Amino acid sequence: GAVVSQHPSRVICKSGTSVKIECRSLDFQATTMFWYRQFPKQSLMLMATSNEGSKATYEQGVEKDKFLINHASLTLSTLTVTSAHPEDSSFYICSAWKDSDTQYFGPGTRLTVL
Amino acid sequence: QQQVKQSPQSLIVQKGGISIINCAYENTAFDYFPWYQQFPGKGPALLIAIRPDVSEKKEGRFTISFNKSAKQFSLHIMDSQPGDSATYFCAAGGGGGADGLTFGKGTHLIIQP
Repeated sequence: GAVVSQHPSRVICKSGTSVKIECRSLDFQATTMFWYRQFPKQSLMLMATSNEGSKATYEQGVEKDKFLINHASLTLSTLTVTSAHPEDSSFYICSAWKDSDTQYFGPGTRLTVL
Repeated sequence: QQQVKQSPQSLIVQKGGISIINCAYENTAFDYFPWYQQFPGKGPALLIAIRPDVSEKKEGRFTISFNKSAKQFSLHIMDSQPGDSATYFCAAGGGGGADGLTFGKGTHLIIQP
């Protein structure tokens, strides 16, 4: 297998602030990483595809100006939730594609916006 | 429009029994079909995955059956154990797995001792 980490695991912030979540592939290089969102007792929904060195591709209905994604290296992608509001509270999970293998998922980040 | 339909929503199986979860997809461009296990507050963990060139894949107690013509695939958990109690998600994607995944709604599995 392969290991993907996320930081932080939990974050609580005030409405209107921005929050950055990091996703790292620890033992492999990932040209492509993905960001998913999961609301309580629901399924995972793909938010965006992040390719190293290029702009992220967002799924329909996901605000690109609100969810800023940066994939600056082959082992790191970041998701910044700008001007967070209570409705952005969710479980954010990243995955990294390991070539010719599969997507490995991180442990998730629980975001709570007060 | 949901592209991956998963059933049942919840399932109770006796210890030692066989747990069966089914999924159906619509997008014929999908060519990668993984199953994930998720415990509360944790990220999904890959159990087993299949590509359309085979109709069945087995890894330990987990088996995927795949029917390309019917656009259906299923997960069988043999000799189910209480530790298998979790939420299971099927997913589908293109690019051999390199594209973003579309997930089913999940099955909450309870194994009774």
